[in-house]
Amino acid sequence: DQQVKQNSPSLSVQEGRISILNCDYTNSMFDYFLWYKKYPAEGPTFLISISSIKDKNEDGRFTVFLNKSAKHLSLHIVPSQPGDSAVYFCAAAMEYGNKLVFGAGTILRVKS
Amino acid sequence: KAGVTQTPRYLIKTRGQQVTLSCSPISGHRSVSWYQQTPGQGLQFLFEYFSETQRNKGNFPGRFSGRQFSNSRSEMNVSTLELGDSALYLCASSLFTPVYGYTFGSGTRLTVV
Repeated sequence: DQQVKQNSPSLSVQEGRISILNCDYTNSMFDYFLWYKKYPAEGPTFLISISSIKDKNEDGRFTVFLNKSAKHLSLHIVPSQPGDSAVYFCAAAMEYGNKLVFGAGTILRVKS
Repeated sequence: KAGVTQTPRYLIKTRGQQVTLSCSPISGHRSVSWYQQTPGQGLQFLFEYFSETQRNKGNFPGRFSGRQFSNSRSEMNVSTLELGDSALYLCASSLFTPVYGYTFGSGTRLTVV
C-alpha cells in the first residue's frame, strides 16, 4: 500500500530552467511533508518541508507547494544547477506518528 | 558535531547467514529509525526506537529485528539472509520524533550472495 507516490522515475532539465518534481499521497491524516535529496553512496539529506496548514514554503531556490484537496505536493527548483542532479524523495508524516513514509524517488538530471 | 555513523559501510554475506548492522546517532538524539532502500522501492520503513523502546515497526518479516541501547546507539539484525535482502540499509536519528525530519547516515550496503 503505497501511501506516498512519485510517479515520475526520472526528470531531465536544462541548466537554468525550472525543475518541478511531483508527489501524490493518499492518507489525509498526514500533517507534514518533506523533501530529501540523495547523492550516490550518501544518505538522504533534508531539503525543505511544509506543514499541512500552509500551501507554500520557500527556501532560496527551492519552493514546495501543497494542494491538500488534491493530495498533491510539488518541489520547484529555480534555477536548476548541475549540482542539483540527484534522487529526490518526497516523505510524509502524521504529527503524532513516529515515522516518515517515503515515495520511491525521482532521479533529476540537470544538463549543462 | 558528528553526524549519524553507520558501520560497516559495505558487507557481503551468504544466503542463510545472519548480519548485524550498527548505528550511532547524533549526540543527544534519542529517536533512531531504520530504512531499507532498494531500486524502485524507495525507502521502506523497518522500525523506530526511542529510549530503548520500539515505538513503530514496518511490514517486514520477523527475521528483521533491532534494538536500542541506553546511549541511543542502535543495531539491527537480519537472520537467515535471503538474496532479496540485498539493499542499502539506512539509519536516521532525530531529537524526539522523526516527524520534523531526520538526519540520515550514509548507510550500509548489504549484498547477499
